[in-house]
Amino acid sequence: DTEVTQTPKHLVMGMTNKKSLKCEQHMGHRAMYWYKQKAKKPPELMFVYSYEKLSINESVPSRFSPECPNSSLLNLHLHALQPEDSALYLCASSRGLAGGQLTRDTQYFGPGTRLTVL
Amino acid sequence: GQNIDQPTEMTATEGAIVQINCTYQTSGFNGLFWYQQHAGEAPTFLSYNVLDGLEEKGRFSSFLSRSKGYSYLLLKELQMKDSASYLCAVDTNAGKSTFGDGTTLTVKP
Repeated sequence: DTEVTQTPKHLVMGMTNKKSLKCEQHMGHRAMYWYKQKAKKPPELMFVYSYEKLSINESVPSRFSPECPNSSLLNLHLHALQPEDSALYLCASSRGLAGGQLTRDTQYFGPGTRLTVL
Repeated sequence: GQNIDQPTEMTATEGAIVQINCTYQTSGFNGLFWYQQHAGEAPTFLSYNVLDGLEEKGRFSSFLSRSKGYSYLLLKELQMKDSASYLCAVDTNAGKSTFGDGTTLTVKP
């Protein structure tokens, strides 16, 4: 199983709403990632979790709040978003640590959640 | 800072060979990824180069020169389904990749 799943596939929300994006993998990966991708632009890294701990936060606004409840799940909680936050949100996972170092390993991407903020 | 350059668009003919270049100037370098992304879909992994040289995987090959800050992705026997965006991504620190803007490849009959 080399699949990363994300729900929902599409999400439309108002600026006052609170919603959550979910990501799940069962490959035993210990590193999980959130990316934001605008149209015709490359993915931009938002957060990295390594062994369920937040290891990288790319200066993301606090209206995005990540959570890693266990090694298989990654959530992104959304609150008070702006229209410019509309984008494709991609989750990815990779093996994680080996020999004490975070390995540079293949990142498997989920299909993404297409978010529209009105 | 990080600077990764690749051509914005390329066009090639079905059955031909195309080479997509990527140059980079980054603070720290661990390796370089190539991803393929079809419109509206998530990126899929193609290759990861750490050492200098050419790595071949079927119709796709990837080359790296660390001293020159240069990589290319070579696609042979092009098929219509190869029309996609090809993303070069540099691994500068453990757990983090910096992506180029991508090259949109159009394969014509």
